[in-house]
Amino acid sequence: DQQVKQNSPSLSVQEGRISILNCDYTNSMFDYFLWYKKYPAEGPTFLISISSIKDKNEDGRFTVFLNKSAKHLSLHIVPSQPGDSAVYFCAAAYSGGGADGLTFGKGTHLIIQP
Amino acid sequence: GAVVSQHPSWVICKSGTSVKIECRSLDFQATTMFWYRQFPKQSLMLMATSNEGSKATYEQGVEKDKFLINHASLTLSTLTVTSAHPEDSSFYICSAAPRDRGRTDTQYFGPGTRLTVL
Repeated sequence: DQQVKQNSPSLSVQEGRISILNCDYTNSMFDYFLWYKKYPAEGPTFLISISSIKDKNEDGRFTVFLNKSAKHLSLHIVPSQPGDSAVYFCAAAYSGGGADGLTFGKGTHLIIQP
Repeated sequence: GAVVSQHPSWVICKSGTSVKIECRSLDFQATTMFWYRQFPKQSLMLMATSNEGSKATYEQGVEKDKFLINHASLTLSTLTVTSAHPEDSSFYICSAAPRDRGRTDTQYFGPGTRLTVL
């Protein structure tokens, strides 16, 4: 039973345009969501996160939107750059005050085309 | 920024042998470290949570006697794959949460260790 789902295995976007990566979750206990970027044979790199008390968080070119009622979040990258080509993982956690292990989606391979 | 290292980055071993993977937080103290496993084209799956000075907490389905975790200090956690078999071949990634923070957004990942069991 996959609690965090990224239904698009890959996404191709033209350089300069907006990239939108989607993520759905099923566990209503999750209250913290994160996006990670990962290159092959490397560990994930943290990009941006959002708490369930917010519906939007922005950091430079990256914006994450959270729709709690739909249990859906999305990552917007604008403008997309060639260096953005990587696998993007959505992750979720429910915090009890301490650090928590993350539940990851399967990832979406973003390809930025020149 | 915070750096987490893993050693070795790549290891090949024979079936039946044991392999130890180290995870170190280089410039911060980590109360909690996590071990993940990633199969090809799959998600990262949390294997266990390691707290300094106490026993690790394993996720359901992960054999604690096969994957031994030791969090000996605030900067080092080790994962030992005992009696490795080919099905244990995978990419193992650790992460570390700084001591002074409780939120998962401050969880830093290591570069991963590619284990191949022949």
